[in-house]
Amino acid sequence: GEDVEQSLFLSVREGDSSVINCTYTDSSSTYLYWYKQEPGAGLQLLTYIFSNMDMKQDQRLTVLLNKKDKHLSLRIADTQTGDSAIYFCAESEDGGYQKVTFGTGTKLQVIP
Amino acid sequence: DADVTQTPRNRITKTGKRIMLECSQTKGHDRMYWYRQDPGLGLRLIYYSFDVKDINKGEISDGYSVSRQAQAKFSLSLESAIPNQTALYFCATSDQLTNTQYFGPGTRLTVL
Repeated sequence: GEDVEQSLFLSVREGDSSVINCTYTDSSSTYLYWYKQEPGAGLQLLTYIFSNMDMKQDQRLTVLLNKKDKHLSLRIADTQTGDSAIYFCAESEDGGYQKVTFGTGTKLQVIP
Repeated sequence: DADVTQTPRNRITKTGKRIMLECSQTKGHDRMYWYRQDPGLGLRLIYYSFDVKDINKGEISDGYSVSRQAQAKFSLSLESAIPNQTALYFCATSDQLTNTQYFGPGTRLTVL
């Protein structure tokens, strides 16, 4: 079945850039997403990228997609303490029920 | 006001008890989902519903049942709770175009 993998933990200093990586196995993925989960809250969509795109930029966020290697990354520029959270990568399959598969989440710790 | 609400937010129960978790949404989406989140395992799908008459099992439906009372309401029941059902439970809806998931705040369930 589909699998989405992420490293569990990332620590960065405030003001630096953060790069969170994700690999997936489903070659028929249509959309790929990044969600953010703050303590005590549900997941919130940060951004998504359609599978025919290589890059998407939204303010401090840059998403890069390498379809050949099935690799997705999220870069957060000028990381702030408010960016501390768990970040989930997810992919949606094409057709049928369009199942969404989530990664295990990467906990980002921002050090002041 | 939140688009997806869940009640209760926290629940402690004993092994063997029947409990119900409720979810309501004001997004007008037909698609609704129940997930559970466990540390290090990401989110796993329990049940999903594409409309009031359509209910489908997810990857971990054993021990759970659901009811779609209306487009806006989707409840999850544990018929006889057991300790390994201790987890964080999320309800979500999705739009049909991008399959973006919109999550409720979660219910933290503890089964003693």
